[in-house]
This record gives sequence, C-alpha cells and structure tokens, in this order.
Amino acid sequence: AAGVIQSPRHLIKEKRETATLKCYPIPRHDTVYWYQQGPGQDPQFLISFYEKMQSDKGSIPDRFSAQQFSDYHSELNMSSLELGDSALYFCASSDGLAGSGANVLTFGAGSRLTVL
Amino acid sequence: DQQVKQNSPSLSVQEGRISILNCDYTNSMFDYFLWYKKYPAEGPTFLISISSIKDKNEDGRFTVFLNKSAKHLSLHIVPSQPGDSAVYFCAADSGTYKYIFGTGTRLKVLA
Repeated sequence: AAGVIQSPRHLIKEKRETATLKCYPIPRHDTVYWYQQGPGQDPQFLISFYEKMQSDKGSIPDRFSAQQFSDYHSELNMSSLELGDSALYFCASSDGLAGSGANVLTFGAGSRLTVL
Repeated sequence: DQQVKQNSPSLSVQEGRISILNCDYTNSMFDYFLWYKKYPAEGPTFLISISSIKDKNEDGRFTVFLNKSAKHLSLHIVPSQPGDSAVYFCAADSGTYKYIFGTGTRLKVLA
C-alpha cells in the first residue's frame, strides 16, 4: 500500500540558508500535518492543512512557512536556518477532519535536516 | 510544560514476558489517546488507540488501559517478542486533530 512519501530523506544546510521539504500524502488523504522532532525530544506539532487551507498551527517559527497544493502534497519552507533547526521533520496524513473516532495519522519516514 | 509524559526512557523485557509502558497526561480535555511505535529510520506507526470514554482497548497482543482519574494510561504487550523492540510514543488528541506526543520509551525485548 502507498505510504506517506517525504523528500529529501536527508538534507544538510548551512546557517542562514533556506530549505524546502516535501510531503506526498497517502492517496485520497486530504489532511497533512508537519511535526518536528529534535534530538532526544518528542515530536512537536508545527502546522496542518485540510483541503489546501491551513487548519491548525503549532510551534512553527515565523521563519518557516508551509502550504498544501492542489494535488494535496505539501511543502515546508524554512528560511534563515539556525543550528537549532536541526531535527527530524515528519509529515503525516489522514483522511480528513470529519468523523468520529481517533484521528489516526500515517507518518512518513521523515526528513533529517542538519544545519551546520 | 510537558502535557504528555513518559517517565521511563527505556525498558528491557525478556521475550515471552509482559511489557508495560506507561504514560501520564495533565490535560483532562484530551479525547483520544494513541500509541505509536517507531523503528529506526522510519516514521511512527499507529499501534492502538483508546477513547476517553473507555478504560480498556485490546488488539491482539496489545492492550491499552486508561485511568482517567489518575490521568494515566499504559500499554501492555503480551507476550513480548524481539520484533517489538522499538521506541513507543504515547500521544493525546484533544479533538483539534493535532497530537501531543510524549518523549517516548525505548523498549528492548531480549531473546
């Protein structure tokens, strides 16, 4: 079965550079979430999109922006990179905000960003 | 302020025995709790969930127990298998469709 695809898997950047991470959700999933996991930390929610509109916002720095495109893939853009941005960035998708029951997210394998 | 806590960073269990992973939370507004398992170089994988209106949910070898008064949940794995060795994250969903994760517990099942 198709999973959530993230690219690139690894990315090395220098301070003050920009980086773009891409996420391709599971087909027919219309909701995308971004999480950041620093070394030894829990995944922190950054931002989510439902039907191409931002649905929720977490601890995302102002230097970061994201969007969801018409094909439901999403991109996380990070500018003026800092050393503290080095982390594993997970994208997850689900089949929408509606419905009862637990909203089970399917996660991608993550993109590891290293800022030197 | 950590709303979801997993106080044991690691746990070692003998194969065939029970593994018990614990999770505490502070926000009584959480509607659902989920457990995710994570292998190295992979994203978290959904394991089992429980609604706040229940106190137990079972799926094969995995059972999650919820004690709302204590704001505590636990994941029981019986019997434990070497393939269960992974990092387990507890997550809470307040109905806003974003999870709050615990810091994870690394389970090692010894053969």
